[in-house]
This record gives sequence, structure tokens and C-alpha cells, in this order.
Amino acid sequence: GEDVEQSLFLSVREGDSSVINCTYTDSSSTYLYWYKQEPGAGLQLLTYIFSNMDMKQDQRLTVLLNKKDKHLSLRIADTQTGDSAIYFCAESKSGGYNKLIFGAGTRLAVHP
Amino acid sequence: NAGVMQNPRHLVRRRGQEARLRCSPMKGHSHVYWYRQLPEEGLKFMVYLQKENIIDESGMPKERFSAEFPKEGPSILRIQQVVRGDSAAYFCASSPPVGSDGYTFGSGTRLTVV
Repeated sequence: GEDVEQSLFLSVREGDSSVINCTYTDSSSTYLYWYKQEPGAGLQLLTYIFSNMDMKQDQRLTVLLNKKDKHLSLRIADTQTGDSAIYFCAESKSGGYNKLIFGAGTRLAVHP
Repeated sequence: NAGVMQNPRHLVRRRGQEARLRCSPMKGHSHVYWYRQLPEEGLKFMVYLQKENIIDESGMPKERFSAEFPKEGPSILRIQQVVRGDSAAYFCASSPPVGSDGYTFGSGTRLTVV
């Protein structure tokens, strides 16, 4: 089956770390993605991880993948007000040229 | 290198009218995808096209919706006889033939049916 779940809201203080969690059900997924959507805008690809990796770091972003538990997380270090947005987790079976299954998104609110 | 271009950004249609949404993929991208985002929800896959071919339309409603990606020109998502439930943001994405970098999304067309 295809189902991606995320918690709907997360509120953090500016400067703290944010951790956004995602679970998926399809063990055949080969790539997992994190997208950011700002109000009224399209989706911006933040990062992705191949299913044979367990961690990927890119500047303030750290992605952790627990394939056994089908759990994906995105950690944003030193969260800023500009990070306020909706973050979508998505899975794909065979890379960028197949359909993506998205979660409902986590709304991140950063307050002073 | 312009990104994925969608137009119009906003579209208002009365019930029963037709809506045509256009998507020009990034240069060098030959794969186009359409997704629909209902208010407060994630994106749902609708259709995947290559030039002159529909590859996967498993997410398209059976009636009133159609999509094409002609040899020349943009991809078109067409909704006939729109109803209020069609009000949503429609996103187009494109990708090259191979690669793992995910899609590049356009800014979307926000359709409002009144």
C-alpha cells in the first residue's frame, strides 16, 4: 500500500532545532524526499535520500532514515523565521521519474 | 534557465465552464507530471506524461479531466464542466529522462470555481 503520514503542526523557538517526522508504508520505495512550501508558492525540493543510506547532511539540514521502521526525519538546525513553511515528505519507487506519494505536510511555525 | 512555468497563476471559472491549465517544463525536461492540492492537504498525483504519450493517468478522475503534452508547446490539463469540488491548486512538475534529483515544481495554478 501507499501511505505517507506526518504530524500536522510543529512550533519551535527561533534558534532551536526542529525535527519533522514522517512514516511511510511502502518498503519498495527507493527515494525519499523533503519539500518545502511557502504560502502561495510551489514546492521547493530541500533534500532527498536514497533508501540504502541512513543519514544525509546538507548544511543546516539532516535527514535520518530508519528503513526497518519506515521512519524518515528532517532536522533543521538553528531554525529561523524564514524556515516557517509547510514541509512535505514524499516517497518514490524509482527515482525522479515516477509518481511521488506525498504526506499531508507539517506546518512549521517559528516564533521569537 | 527558466524553471517550470505555469499559467495562469489564478483562474476563476463558473460552474459548468472549462478550465485549461498550461505547463511549460524546464529546458531539457521531457517528463511532465500534474498534481492536485486540495485546501489543507498534501499533493495527490494525477497524471504523468512524456511528449505525445500519457504514461500513467491512474490519479485522473474518470470524467471531465484530460491531459496532453504535444510534440510542440506546453502540457495542458483540461477540466470540462467544472464543479466547486474542482477548486484546488494544480501543480505541474518536470524532470529529465533519468536522474534521482526529484522533480522541479512550478508555482501552481489556483483554480476557484464559483
